[in-house]
Amino acid sequence: DAMVIQNPRYQVTQFGKPVTLSCSQTLNHNVMYWYQQKSSQAPKLLFHYYDKDFNNEADTPDNFQSRRPNTSFCFLDIRSPGLGDAAMYLCATNLAYTDTQYFGPGTRLTVL
Amino acid sequence: SQQGEEDPQALSIQEGENATMNCSYKTSINNLQWYRQNSGRGLVHLILIRSNEREKHSGRLRVTLDTSKKSSSLLITASRAADTASYFCATGDTGANSKLTFGKGITLSVRP
Repeated sequence: DAMVIQNPRYQVTQFGKPVTLSCSQTLNHNVMYWYQQKSSQAPKLLFHYYDKDFNNEADTPDNFQSRRPNTSFCFLDIRSPGLGDAAMYLCATNLAYTDTQYFGPGTRLTVL
Repeated sequence: SQQGEEDPQALSIQEGENATMNCSYKTSINNLQWYRQNSGRGLVHLILIRSNEREKHSGRLRVTLDTSKKSSSLLITASRAADTASYFCATGDTGANSKLTFGKGITLSVRP
């Protein structure tokens, strides 16, 4: 089945230790999104790629970076995680000019 | 900033009853979508309604949109225990990258 896959599902890191979260998709969608969702809050868009074009949200901290080496994969790098970065990170995709987004299961990040 | 505001924040009903959830938003929209999130999982798209539509149905779901009041409601009829989840409304804009802005969500509990 075509899907959005996120690895790992659970990630534990130490304060200040860089971490990379992975998202892959078999839908061949050209747009990929990263959201941060803290407990009992709305998912918040961090950035998205339209093909290789990177679009950063204005309030996304510099500590968050992203890479998209090809259509199928997108990575979220957190350079120096702080305690406030503990959250669920959701990857989503869609086809350009369509409205429905398809979400992966998320990666739960814990910062010790 | 957050666009959608759902109410109530939490809803508990008996299996077989109907559940009604409301969402209000602030700015003009292209479409409004409802997503479901089971505990600790990603979001699943339920239904989309465009700004020029007033009502849509999908199975046990009925969504309405009132653009003059900037509000939407989601009705789940004949609820089941498996409907227990968080429900989010999200407003979508136009363009190649149709960004979504989510509300905080409503926690629905359906008692068997």
